[in-house]
Amino acid sequence: AQSVTQPDIHITVSEGASLELRCNYSYGATPYLFWYVQSPGQGLQLLLKYFSGDTLVQGIKGFEAEFKRSQSSFNLRKPSVHWSDAAEYFCAATDSWGKFQFGAGTQVVVTP
Amino acid sequence: KAGVTQTPRYLIKTRGQQVTLSCSPISGHRSVSWYQQTPGQGLQFLFEYFSETQRNKGNFPGRFSGRQFSNSRSEMNVSTLELGDSALYLCASSIGQGRTDTQYFGPGTRLTVL
Repeated sequence: AQSVTQPDIHITVSEGASLELRCNYSYGATPYLFWYVQSPGQGLQLLLKYFSGDTLVQGIKGFEAEFKRSQSSFNLRKPSVHWSDAAEYFCAATDSWGKFQFGAGTQVVVTP
Repeated sequence: KAGVTQTPRYLIKTRGQQVTLSCSPISGHRSVSWYQQTPGQGLQFLFEYFSETQRNKGNFPGRFSGRQFSNSRSEMNVSTLELGDSALYLCASSIGQGRTDTQYFGPGTRLTVL
């Protein structure tokens, strides 16, 4: 069955430190991949997406993600986090029919 | 360009009642998807409408239904509300071209069932 897995439910990081959020997918063919962020009480905002081409994708707010086919992964990174990056992050994938599937989310807490 | 809008933002209902939520997609988008988000189950796909037809459906009971109008606006209806229906309901719109679609989300409707 197709699935998107975010192994880390909760991550705590110090302000100014680097952040990496993990995402693994299980699909028959390489899906299209996305990262979204959700602030409390808000909808989801698109950070970046990968369809094809360069495996390192740049997004908004200083985020980037790297697609690794051999590891079926699409990890999100940020070199230096800000207190405003505290939020929940969702990895998502679409199948050939365009049906979205989301991971369970990773809650990021930023400490001073 | 205006984003996805959802109305109302907050709703309080009692068990057994029914509720209708509304979603207006981004101009030019023909696909509207609905999701239920709860702390325990995360984001769960309800259904997707494209050009007034349901194109995809998740695993929810028939109490959950939707429709889409010719202007792409969509409504979701939940009948005979249960306590477990309390959730944030998110609507997302996209162009509707399938696999390369990008979904853009509204702020959600927070439904509380008492």
